[in-house]
Amino acid sequence: DTAVSQTPKYLVTQMGNDKSIKCEQNLGHDTMYWYKQDSKKFLKIMFSYNNKELIINETVPNRFSPKSPDKAHLNLHINSLELGDSAVYFCASSLFKLRGNTEAFFGQGTRLTVV
Amino acid sequence: GQNIDQPTEMTATEGAIVQINCTYQTSGFNGLFWYQQHAGEAPTFLSYNVLDGLEEKGRFSSFLSRSKGYSYLLLKELQMKDSASYLCAVRRTPRPHYGQNFVFGPGTRLSVLP
Repeated sequence: DTAVSQTPKYLVTQMGNDKSIKCEQNLGHDTMYWYKQDSKKFLKIMFSYNNKELIINETVPNRFSPKSPDKAHLNLHINSLELGDSAVYFCASSLFKLRGNTEAFFGQGTRLTVV
Repeated sequence: GQNIDQPTEMTATEGAIVQINCTYQTSGFNGLFWYQQHAGEAPTFLSYNVLDGLEEKGRFSSFLSRSKGYSYLLLKELQMKDSASYLCAVRRTPRPHYGQNFVFGPGTRLSVLP
């Protein structure tokens, strides 16, 4: 029943490691996003994908690499993790329409802690 | 660049009315959304405006003035469960037919007191 699901919910890892977060949506949406929410609770867009194509990459270090194997999945791989990467990462999805309500649905979030 | 501003914190009393303001300056504007986020949870959609004016939805209303780059969320008959962060978000369509994204404001943390 879950609309947007991401795994894992919690991730604790050491500096320098590589980790992945997976995201899947069953809403039939064509656009998916990754957001980072830092300790000040500011929700910042990282990537936006439309029909598996990267649309927006907002000044994110190239250690972060999104992969969209199909419209329903958008995974995030992070290389050489740094302390500053600690945050909650949210996956979201929506329809793309030029008009009308295209509310974004969010996954439960992945709390990443780098030690 | 994109700039969205909201008050950081607000406090109100149960049963009262509170108005949370949002100002924005952004290119490719294509709608203003409000989300609610309880601590430790994901944001959930509250309301959407694309034309100027007021949209009412039960205890929640949202207003938009595109010429002023201004919106507000009005919460009536406040309940304790309304204690949460309220995020203003601009939907941007930088280039038509080429996708969209949502740019969020810093959020307003609302505390409802008994």
